[in-house]
Amino acid sequence: QSALTQPASVSGSPGQSITISCTGTSSDVGSYNLVSWYQQHPGKAPKVMIYEVTKRPSGVSNRFSGSKSGNTASLTISGLQAEDEADYYCCSYAGSSTWVFGGGTKLTVL
Amino acid sequence: EVQLVQSGAEVKKPGESLKISCKGSGYSFNNYWIGWVRQMPGKGLEWMGIIYLGDSDTRYSPSFQGQVTISADKSINTAYLQWSSLKASDTAMYYCARPARSGSATPPTNWGQGTLVTVSS
Repeated sequence: QSALTQPASVSGSPGQSITISCTGTSSDVGSYNLVSWYQQHPGKAPKVMIYEVTKRPSGVSNRFSGSKSGNTASLTISGLQAEDEADYYCCSYAGSSTWVFGGGTKLTVL
Repeated sequence: EVQLVQSGAEVKKPGESLKISCKGSGYSFNNYWIGWVRQMPGKGLEWMGIIYLGDSDTRYSPSFQGQVTISADKSINTAYLQWSSLKASDTAMYYCARPARSGSATPPTNWGQGTLVTVSS
């Protein structure tokens, strides 16, 4: 059960769009539409931004969207804002009631 | 409102035992899985294991199997994570988390506030 692969860092200017990828295998991301994305600010607990690949919880800005193609899921943030600067993690169901997380991506808003 | 409230920060010495808790409220506790996630200082999230409160079915990540024990007391809506002999490398923040759907061990949507465990001689 290896961690999902995310870029270590991404950056963008206010107002721009960025995409964070999350690559797994046919045993996790590729087999289930059960990928979630979390935002974590320093010293805070993770907060779900997207679940089940594309669903956005109540209260999460519609600037956040998710997608999946094959073994890779993606999180897109449009209209980048300063408060979006945080660490982002993906997590996939991996069968048999198990989870696997990505290594995390640090988003810097320039 | 769904809430997961974890026990407070702990400072322990190597070799000591520890049990931390996660109390759920605002939902039917018995119908959900609860997972535990480790975050070492400056590092990412790692899935440790998960328990179904209905029948105590428990699964562990291979990385944590034999290193920790996950349990629950459904009479008080509480899940536990315990160590029998702590090591300095167990120093981390530990989160409990719950999936969106009852009866399903899908990735979590609700998180506890975290319990900081510090192990130092």
